[in-house]
Amino acid sequence: GAVVSQHPSWVICKSGTSVKIECRSLDFQATTMFWYRQFPKQSLMLMATSNEGSKATYEQGVEKDKFLINHASLTLSTLTVTSAHPEDSSFYICSASVPGVRNTEAFFGQGTRLTVV
Amino acid sequence: AQSVAQPEDQVNVAEGNPLTVKCTYSVSGNPYLFWYVQYPNRGLQFLLKYITGDNLVKGSYGFEAEFNKSQTSFHLKKPSALVSDSALYFCAVRPLNKFYFGSGTKLNVKP
Repeated sequence: GAVVSQHPSWVICKSGTSVKIECRSLDFQATTMFWYRQFPKQSLMLMATSNEGSKATYEQGVEKDKFLINHASLTLSTLTVTSAHPEDSSFYICSASVPGVRNTEAFFGQGTRLTVV
Repeated sequence: AQSVAQPEDQVNVAEGNPLTVKCTYSVSGNPYLFWYVQYPNRGLQFLLKYITGDNLVKGSYGFEAEFNKSQTSFHLKKPSALVSDSALYFCAVRPLNKFYFGSGTKLNVKP
């Protein structure tokens, strides 16, 4: 199947700093990528849909200025957690699917464990 | 509204026994249904999907799932569980471009 690579796998940062997480589709072009947040023992919560060349679409309750998403190319989307606080500590996962083919499965990155101290 | 329900937070089964992880869904139109598995601190891995056709879908690692339209269910099954199957399992539906996930079921397979 297609490969989605997410980097870094884990990061520890100080409160008040910003952290950038990268999501790359390695063998296909993804016009749309998705960013999820997962709390311990809980399901994935869709945060936003990242659209190449345009603004991301955020789900209700997700702060746009807090979680900046950039999708500058067909193979790269980034999520920047700005002015991070301990409550932002979580597992963040990106995914992408082959564009225009609704029935294909989504391909997921390996996730990023963010710890804000 | 689209939704997926996994009624069991946890399923315990002995190695070698059959396992079932339950999933029910609510979706408008034709359902596109998926099962994913997640190991600790990892992303999700695709197991299988139902798009159309045969109600019994076979997937990776010996897993299969049965689509039941009248009961709006898509239960995941395996005839003989392995300890290595222990993980978190998610059912998902895909209307249009978004995936909606169930709450997840932790599968514990004991030797």
